[in-house]
Amino acid sequence: DVKVTQSSRYLVKRTGEKVFLECVQDMDHENMFWYRQDPGLGLRLIYFSYDVKMKEKGDIPEGYSVSREKKERFSLILESASTNQTSMYLCASSPSTGGGETQYFGPGTRLLVL
Amino acid sequence: KQEVTQIPAALSVPEGENLVLNCSFTDSAIYNLQWFRQDPGKGLTSLLLIQSSQREQTSGRLNASLDKSSGRSTLYIAASQPGDSATYLCALNTGTASKLTFGTGTRLQVTL
Repeated sequence: DVKVTQSSRYLVKRTGEKVFLECVQDMDHENMFWYRQDPGLGLRLIYFSYDVKMKEKGDIPEGYSVSREKKERFSLILESASTNQTSMYLCASSPSTGGGETQYFGPGTRLLVL
Repeated sequence: KQEVTQIPAALSVPEGENLVLNCSFTDSAIYNLQWFRQDPGKGLTSLLLIQSSQREQTSGRLNASLDKSSGRSTLYIAASQPGDSATYLCALNTGTASKLTFGTGTRLQVTL
């Protein structure tokens, strides 16, 4: 079975802190994604990566950056956390097969910024 | 820009009922459509994936259909059980690096 793990289930941070969310997948997938999920807004794509050291902005990249130094690991960075970044963050991965495969999701990290 | 709508936002049914969840989308140029399940506070689990060239997919008590011409998909759940209680999300893959566009989901509760 594909396994996608996220470093923390719950995080509490202060406004202005730099926050790192880590995601690791064990199936050698090329594509990795970071979403945030908010009530009434659904899942929105923040950033995605289709290869090591490659990244592309999603729909809501402002205030975030990412890092993919190794194929299995995709990190989301909140440069200076703000209260409006309080949310559920979900990581996903998928193989690169021309769009025909599903995405596999991690359990999520619920982040509270005070 | 692709927009995905799921109606109703919430649904409560008694155990044993058959039910249909709806998903509509604005742009029919898709690679595939997927249905996911999300339990409270958890990640998403893929249920069914329908490729653009297919009309339906079945897995156990679940059947998903796709009508690209009308921009609609349905998820049919037969003989519902309390364990089916969850939020169901549809998502469209437009093919750009497998990016998905999600609906806001239907929260289903199956009561005893």
